[in-house]
Amino acid sequence: EAGVTQSPTHLIKTRGQQATLRCSPISGHTSVYWYQQALGLGLQFLLWYDEGEERNRGNFPPRFSGRQFPNYSSELNVNALELEDSALYLCASSKGQGGYGYTFGSGTRLTVV
Amino acid sequence: KQEVTQIPAALSVPEGENLVLNCSFTDSAIYNLQWFRQDPGKGLTSLLLIQSSQREQTSGRLNASLDKSSGRSTLYIAASQPGDSATYLCAVNYGGSQGNLIFGKGTKLSVKP
Repeated sequence: EAGVTQSPTHLIKTRGQQATLRCSPISGHTSVYWYQQALGLGLQFLLWYDEGEERNRGNFPPRFSGRQFPNYSSELNVNALELEDSALYLCASSKGQGGYGYTFGSGTRLTVV
Repeated sequence: KQEVTQIPAALSVPEGENLVLNCSFTDSAIYNLQWFRQDPGKGLTSLLLIQSSQREQTSGRLNASLDKSSGRSTLYIAASQPGDSATYLCAVNYGGSQGNLIFGKGTKLSVKP
């Protein structure tokens, strides 16, 4: 069974540009979660999508947005990039609300210069 | 506020030693609790998932316990090996409309040969 896949692995952008990160969940998982892990900080919850809808959102500005497609894959968009957006972005998937646990991908390392 | 705390923040032990990592959470109404391992710059690997109705789970040299009433979980690693060196993260799932996991800041483990 394929795990959670994220692309790209690394992304370098200039301040003010937009970044798009992608995530494909495990087959059969309908929920996708996005987390940010900045250097030296813990994992911060960004967004939760389930059945194509945004279900919950962490304490991040509106320039962090995303969507979930009919095949349950998801996209995270970060507009007007700032230097402090440089971080490892992790995607996780679960069946429903995580009763069977969460499975994480390997992450996208975003560097803003 | 729902918070997860992990003690110690860092731990260094000689190879072969048994060790215990601690996790505490402020709100005991959890749905389940999951222990992860993270290698530097990588994604999260799930180690053990404990449902709120369970007291412990075992996988190989790992044993995780859960005491909901006191808001604590421990991860016991038997006969530690250098390959166990990583950051160990405890994450609590409260279910419902929240959906996301709440993470501790992790314990960075170093096992010396």
